[in-house]
Amino acid sequence: SQQGEEDPQALSIQEGENATMNCSYKTSINNLQWYRQNSGRGLVHLILIRSNEREKHSGRLRVTLDTSKKSSSLLITASRAADTASYFCATDHQAAGNKLTFGGGTRVLVKP
Amino acid sequence: EAQVTQNPRYLITVTGKKLTVTCSQNMNHEYMSWYRQDPGLGLRQIYYSMNVEVTDKGDVPEGYKVSRKEKRNFPLILESPSPNQTSLYFCASSASPGGRTEAFFGQGTRLTVV
Repeated sequence: SQQGEEDPQALSIQEGENATMNCSYKTSINNLQWYRQNSGRGLVHLILIRSNEREKHSGRLRVTLDTSKKSSSLLITASRAADTASYFCATDHQAAGNKLTFGGGTRVLVKP
Repeated sequence: EAQVTQNPRYLITVTGKKLTVTCSQNMNHEYMSWYRQDPGLGLRQIYYSMNVEVTDKGDVPEGYKVSRKEKRNFPLILESPSPNQTSLYFCASSASPGGRTEAFFGQGTRLTVV
């Protein structure tokens, strides 16, 4: 079953704007990851954040994690057309054994 | 270059005709898994393998088989494909199970069963 649920399902912004998407999950996690998928292609890892971390940065990406609210957010600053993709959160749940559970994704369109 | 290679990228087959999708990784990863991706359902895990000769069912294993005879290879077998197995399939590998380390994904295999 899907544990991570992304919000919004789709997002359209102008180049240069920031894009924020959220991920909520139901049960306690060990780790949370964000992935990007360009249309019909494989997923590419962006950031891994552990349950004892609150924020991580990678280039123009900023991820936050609030374990009390069971939610995470991914912020893409100064977006570019090349950021157009689907973004997925993936959770590693304490009770779920050896697997990542993916949400349904947020489709981001960055208009030039 | 670290990579996961899947073949074929595209496949159209008929109901009941056995097929194998190959997956190979060059990172010496112990953990490998297969996912299918369907619109509105996200990625769902089919099978995973913790190491050579160690495989286990994921969330949607029905109609699929896997084997792990060598560390680098993890083929997905559909013994009698049916139209509801039409999907986009991904193989992934990682150094550790679950989400402890990043997963590397193949480019995907788009399977159509008619």
